[in-house]
Amino acid sequence: AQSVAQPEDQVNVAEGNPLTVKCTYSVSGNPYLFWYVQYPNRGLQFLLKYITGDNLVKGSYGFEAEFNKSQTSFHLKKPSALVSDSALYFCAVRDSNRDDKIIFGKGTRLHILP
Amino acid sequence: DSGVTQTPKHLITATGQRVTLRCSPRSGDLSVYWYQQSLDQGLQFLIQYYNGEERAKGNILERFSAQQFPDLHSELNLSSLELGDSALYFCASSARTSGSVGEQFFGPGTRLTVL
Repeated sequence: AQSVAQPEDQVNVAEGNPLTVKCTYSVSGNPYLFWYVQYPNRGLQFLLKYITGDNLVKGSYGFEAEFNKSQTSFHLKKPSALVSDSALYFCAVRDSNRDDKIIFGKGTRLHILP
Repeated sequence: DSGVTQTPKHLITATGQRVTLRCSPRSGDLSVYWYQQSLDQGLQFLIQYYNGEERAKGNILERFSAQQFPDLHSELNLSSLELGDSALYFCASSARTSGSVGEQFFGPGTRLTVL
Protein backbone atom coordinates (compact mmCIF):
# COMPACT_ATOMS: atom_id res chain seq x y z
CA ALA A 1 0.00 0.00 0.00
CA GLN A 2 1.18 3.50 -0.71
CA SER A 3 1.79 5.88 2.16
CA VAL A 4 3.48 9.16 2.94
CA ALA A 5 4.85 10.47 6.21
CA GLN A 6 5.69 13.96 7.37
CA PRO A 7 7.53 13.38 10.63
CA GLU A 8 7.31 16.96 11.90
CA ASP A 9 4.03 18.56 12.90
CA GLN A 10 5.69 21.97 13.04
CA VAL A 11 8.95 23.53 11.86
CA ASN A 12 10.23 26.89 13.07
CA VAL A 13 12.82 28.78 11.04
CA ALA A 14 14.21 32.29 11.34
CA GLU A 15 13.62 34.58 8.40
CA GLY A 16 16.53 34.46 5.96
CA ASN A 17 17.65 31.00 7.06
CA PRO A 18 17.33 27.92 4.86
CA LEU A 19 14.32 25.72 5.51
CA THR A 20 13.62 22.03 5.07
CA VAL A 21 10.27 20.25 5.44
CA LYS A 22 10.67 16.49 5.50
CA CYS A 23 8.69 13.84 3.67
CA THR A 24 9.16 10.11 3.23
CA TYR A 25 7.04 7.79 1.13
CA SER A 26 6.28 4.16 0.42
CA VAL A 27 4.97 2.84 -2.90
CA SER A 28 5.26 -0.48 -4.70
CA GLY A 29 6.10 1.04 -8.06
CA ASN A 30 7.83 4.23 -9.07
CA PRO A 31 6.59 7.29 -7.20
CA TYR A 32 5.09 10.47 -8.44
CA LEU A 33 5.63 13.01 -5.67
CA PHE A 34 4.00 16.36 -4.98
CA TRP A 35 4.17 19.28 -2.57
CA TYR A 36 1.22 21.51 -1.81
CA VAL A 37 0.92 24.61 0.38
CA GLN A 38 -2.16 25.79 2.23
CA TYR A 39 -2.51 29.33 3.51
CA PRO A 40 -5.11 30.10 6.19
CA ASN A 41 -8.70 29.74 4.99
CA ARG A 42 -7.56 28.80 1.50
CA GLY A 43 -7.45 25.65 -0.60
CA LEU A 44 -4.26 23.73 -1.28
CA GLN A 45 -1.97 25.18 -3.92
CA PHE A 46 0.25 22.98 -6.05
CA LEU A 47 3.95 23.82 -5.54
CA LEU A 48 5.96 21.23 -7.45
CA LYS A 49 6.12 17.62 -8.57
CA TYR A 50 8.65 14.90 -9.27
CA ILE A 51 7.97 12.44 -12.07
CA THR A 52 11.34 11.28 -13.32
CA GLY A 53 14.73 12.65 -14.25
CA ASP A 54 16.66 15.24 -12.27
CA ASN A 55 16.43 14.57 -8.55
CA LEU A 56 16.23 18.29 -7.76
CA VAL A 57 12.89 19.76 -8.73
CA LYS A 58 12.20 23.49 -8.76
CA GLY A 59 8.76 24.89 -8.07
CA SER A 60 6.81 28.00 -7.24
CA TYR A 61 7.84 30.78 -4.84
CA GLY A 62 11.52 29.72 -4.82
CA PHE A 63 10.84 26.27 -3.37
CA GLU A 64 12.63 23.15 -4.51
CA ALA A 65 12.52 19.52 -3.48
CA GLU A 66 15.09 16.78 -3.58
CA PHE A 67 14.11 13.24 -4.52
CA ASN A 68 16.21 10.54 -2.88
CA LYS A 69 15.29 7.07 -4.04
CA SER A 70 17.51 5.15 -1.62
CA GLN A 71 16.08 7.03 1.37
CA THR A 72 12.55 7.16 -0.13
CA SER A 73 12.43 10.84 0.70
CA PHE A 74 11.24 14.00 -1.00
CA HIS A 75 12.19 16.91 1.26
CA LEU A 76 11.01 20.43 0.49
CA LYS A 77 13.66 23.14 0.69
CA LYS A 78 14.16 26.85 0.27
CA PRO A 79 17.53 28.64 0.57
CA SER A 80 16.20 31.73 2.36
CA ALA A 81 12.89 31.70 4.21
CA LEU A 82 10.38 34.55 4.12
CA VAL A 83 7.76 35.34 6.76
CA SER A 84 5.18 34.93 4.00
CA ASP A 85 6.22 31.28 3.65
CA SER A 86 4.45 30.55 6.94
CA ALA A 87 1.73 28.06 6.03
CA LEU A 88 0.73 24.40 6.14
CA TYR A 89 2.67 22.16 3.76
CA PHE A 90 1.47 18.81 2.45
CA CYS A 91 3.53 16.13 0.76
CA ALA A 92 1.68 13.67 -1.47
CA VAL A 93 2.52 10.54 -3.42
CA ARG A 94 1.00 8.57 -6.23
CA ASP A 95 2.13 5.13 -7.31
CA SER A 96 2.88 5.21 -11.04
CA ASN A 97 1.37 1.72 -11.32
CA ARG A 98 -1.97 2.82 -9.89
CA ASP A 99 -4.75 5.13 -10.93
CA ASP A 100 -5.12 8.78 -10.05
CA LYS A 101 -5.41 8.31 -6.33
CA ILE A 102 -2.97 10.52 -4.47
CA ILE A 103 -2.15 9.98 -0.80
CA PHE A 104 -1.51 13.08 1.28
CA GLY A 105 0.63 13.39 4.37
CA LYS A 106 -0.77 14.91 7.54
CA GLY A 107 0.87 18.24 6.87
CA THR A 108 3.68 20.24 8.47
CA ARG A 109 3.05 23.72 9.81
CA LEU A 110 5.91 26.01 8.91
CA HIS A 111 6.51 29.10 11.08
CA ILE A 112 8.98 31.66 9.80
CA LEU A 113 10.07 33.90 12.65
CA PRO A 114 10.87 37.53 11.82
CA ASP B 1 -6.80 30.95 -8.81
CA SER B 2 -6.82 27.20 -9.50
CA GLY B 3 -9.86 27.29 -11.80
CA VAL B 4 -11.84 25.01 -9.47
CA THR B 5 -14.92 26.64 -7.98
CA GLN B 6 -16.91 25.57 -4.95
CA THR B 7 -20.19 26.84 -3.56
CA PRO B 8 -21.21 27.85 -1.03
CA LYS B 9 -18.18 29.26 0.74
CA HIS B 10 -19.75 28.93 4.16
CA LEU B 11 -22.64 26.82 5.39
CA ILE B 12 -24.16 26.81 8.86
CA THR B 13 -26.80 24.24 9.66
CA ALA B 14 -28.23 22.17 12.48
CA THR B 15 -27.73 18.57 13.48
CA GLY B 16 -29.89 16.14 11.58
CA GLN B 17 -30.10 18.34 8.51
CA ARG B 18 -28.96 17.62 4.95
CA VAL B 19 -26.75 19.85 2.79
CA THR B 20 -25.35 19.80 -0.72
CA LEU B 21 -21.92 21.12 -1.66
CA ARG B 22 -21.17 21.93 -5.26
CA CYS B 23 -17.94 21.83 -7.25
CA SER B 24 -17.04 22.83 -10.79
CA PRO B 25 -13.72 21.41 -11.98
CA ARG B 26 -11.13 23.16 -14.13
CA SER B 27 -12.10 23.34 -17.76
CA GLY B 28 -11.27 20.02 -19.41
CA ASP B 29 -10.58 18.09 -16.20
CA LEU B 30 -12.49 14.82 -16.02
CA SER B 31 -11.60 13.74 -12.49
CA VAL B 32 -13.13 15.25 -9.37
CA TYR B 33 -12.07 14.45 -5.83
CA TRP B 34 -13.67 15.33 -2.51
CA TYR B 35 -11.73 15.79 0.72
CA GLN B 36 -12.65 16.60 4.28
CA GLN B 37 -10.24 18.63 6.39
CA SER B 38 -10.72 18.88 10.12
CA LEU B 39 -8.31 20.05 12.79
CA ASP B 40 -7.71 16.64 14.31
CA GLN B 41 -7.93 14.44 11.19
CA GLY B 42 -5.91 16.31 8.62
CA LEU B 43 -6.87 15.97 4.96
CA GLN B 44 -9.09 12.91 4.43
CA PHE B 45 -9.87 11.62 0.96
CA LEU B 46 -13.58 10.93 0.58
CA ILE B 47 -14.33 9.94 -2.99
CA GLN B 48 -13.24 10.33 -6.61
CA TYR B 49 -15.27 10.53 -9.81
CA TYR B 50 -13.98 10.26 -13.33
CA ASN B 51 -16.17 11.34 -16.22
CA GLY B 52 -19.35 10.65 -14.30
CA GLU B 53 -18.39 7.36 -12.74
CA GLU B 54 -17.20 6.61 -9.23
CA ARG B 55 -13.53 5.71 -9.37
CA ALA B 56 -12.25 5.41 -5.83
CA LYS B 57 -13.64 5.58 -2.33
CA GLY B 58 -11.86 6.67 0.78
CA ASN B 59 -13.11 7.32 4.29
CA ILE B 60 -16.59 8.37 3.25
CA LEU B 61 -19.45 7.79 5.68
CA GLU B 62 -22.64 6.09 4.53
CA ARG B 63 -24.49 9.33 5.36
CA PHE B 64 -22.46 11.03 2.65
CA SER B 65 -22.87 10.56 -1.08
CA ALA B 66 -21.62 12.23 -4.21
CA GLN B 67 -22.21 12.30 -7.92
CA GLN B 68 -20.69 13.82 -11.04
CA PHE B 69 -23.01 15.15 -13.70
CA PRO B 70 -22.66 15.08 -17.52
CA ASP B 71 -21.32 18.65 -17.49
CA LEU B 72 -18.64 17.32 -15.06
CA HIS B 73 -19.66 19.37 -12.07
CA SER B 74 -19.97 17.38 -8.86
CA GLU B 75 -22.10 17.51 -5.74
CA LEU B 76 -21.38 16.13 -2.31
CA ASN B 77 -24.47 15.39 -0.24
CA LEU B 78 -24.17 15.19 3.52
CA SER B 79 -27.19 13.97 5.48
CA SER B 80 -28.19 13.38 9.10
CA LEU B 81 -25.50 15.85 10.00
CA GLU B 82 -23.64 15.54 13.29
CA LEU B 83 -21.50 18.03 15.18
CA GLY B 84 -18.42 16.08 14.13
CA ASP B 85 -19.15 16.75 10.47
CA SER B 86 -18.10 20.35 10.94
CA ALA B 87 -15.05 20.75 8.72
CA LEU B 88 -13.66 22.24 5.55
CA TYR B 89 -14.70 20.30 2.47
CA PHE B 90 -12.45 20.59 -0.56
CA CYS B 91 -13.01 19.62 -4.11
CA ALA B 92 -10.07 19.04 -6.45
CA SER B 93 -9.82 18.18 -10.13
CA SER B 94 -7.18 16.66 -12.32
CA ALA B 95 -6.66 16.05 -16.00
CA ARG B 96 -6.34 12.73 -17.73
CA THR B 97 -4.42 13.82 -20.77
CA SER B 98 -1.05 12.54 -21.92
CA GLY B 99 1.67 14.29 -19.97
CA SER B 100 -0.49 14.66 -16.91
CA VAL B 101 0.53 12.65 -13.88
CA GLY B 102 -2.57 13.37 -11.90
CA GLU B 103 -1.59 16.44 -9.91
CA GLN B 104 -4.73 17.84 -8.38
CA PHE B 105 -5.91 21.43 -8.33
CA PHE B 106 -7.98 22.44 -5.34
CA GLY B 107 -10.96 24.70 -4.94
CA PRO B 108 -11.23 27.24 -2.12
CA GLY B 109 -13.34 24.93 0.01
CA THR B 110 -16.69 25.02 1.77
CA ARG B 111 -16.63 25.57 5.51
CA LEU B 112 -19.45 23.58 7.09
CA THR B 113 -20.52 24.35 10.63
CA VAL B 114 -23.04 22.06 12.27
CA LEU B 115 -24.66 23.52 15.37
